[in-house]
Amino acid sequence: EDQVTQSPEALRLQEGESSSLNCSYTVSGLRGLFWYRQDPGKGPEFLFTLYSAGEEKEKERLKATLTKKESFLHITAPKPEDSATYLCAVQRTGYSTLTFGKGTMLLVSP
Amino acid sequence: DAGVIQSPRHEVTEMGQEVTLRCKPISGHNSLFWYRQTMMRGLELLIYFNNNVPIDDSGMPEDRFSAKMPNASFSTLKIQPSEPRDSAVYFCASRRDRVMRNEQFFGPGTRLTVL
Repeated sequence: EDQVTQSPEALRLQEGESSSLNCSYTVSGLRGLFWYRQDPGKGPEFLFTLYSAGEEKEKERLKATLTKKESFLHITAPKPEDSATYLCAVQRTGYSTLTFGKGTMLLVSP
Repeated sequence: DAGVIQSPRHEVTEMGQEVTLRCKPISGHNSLFWYRQTMMRGLELLIYFNNNVPIDDSGMPEDRFSAKMPNASFSTLKIQPSEPRDSAVYFCASRRDRVMRNEQFFGPGTRLTVL
């Protein structure tokens, strides 16, 4: 059974204080690892897909990286508008569905 | 281009009543997913349709839950009878199946409260 564990559960940062969120996974053959952002009262919003170890993707202040066991979402000089819950999900090779972690709730204070 | 549309956005009902949640996927997407999100269990897949056919319903909690997709632009999730433990946010997501870039796009969700 695929497993996704995200840490920490919650993270509070000051504006400009860089940090990383972790997503550890266990899957029998990784088809893709997905990062989503979820704002309160809204549906998850797609950020990145990573397909192979060593791959990196960037979007504004966010950079996602992937190894064979985990993925990191690095947040550089965050702003209050980066406050949200960040969800990680994996897709197994040969399957169409995703297994989600429980997310990291990020709060960035001005 | 409109995203995934869900209705109603909020539903409050009493235990034992029938509840129907609706979803309109993004035009051109051929896969549709229903999820349930709670604080305790996070985001869980209930059922997955491909080209309007149910492919994986292993996440449907029990016989009280049923889902249909009569055409490519509409799906329903029905709970009958509803119970307080069904209270959660239900999301619909759709996807266009491709070799690469096969991300799912989520709707705004329906917050269900069963009293």
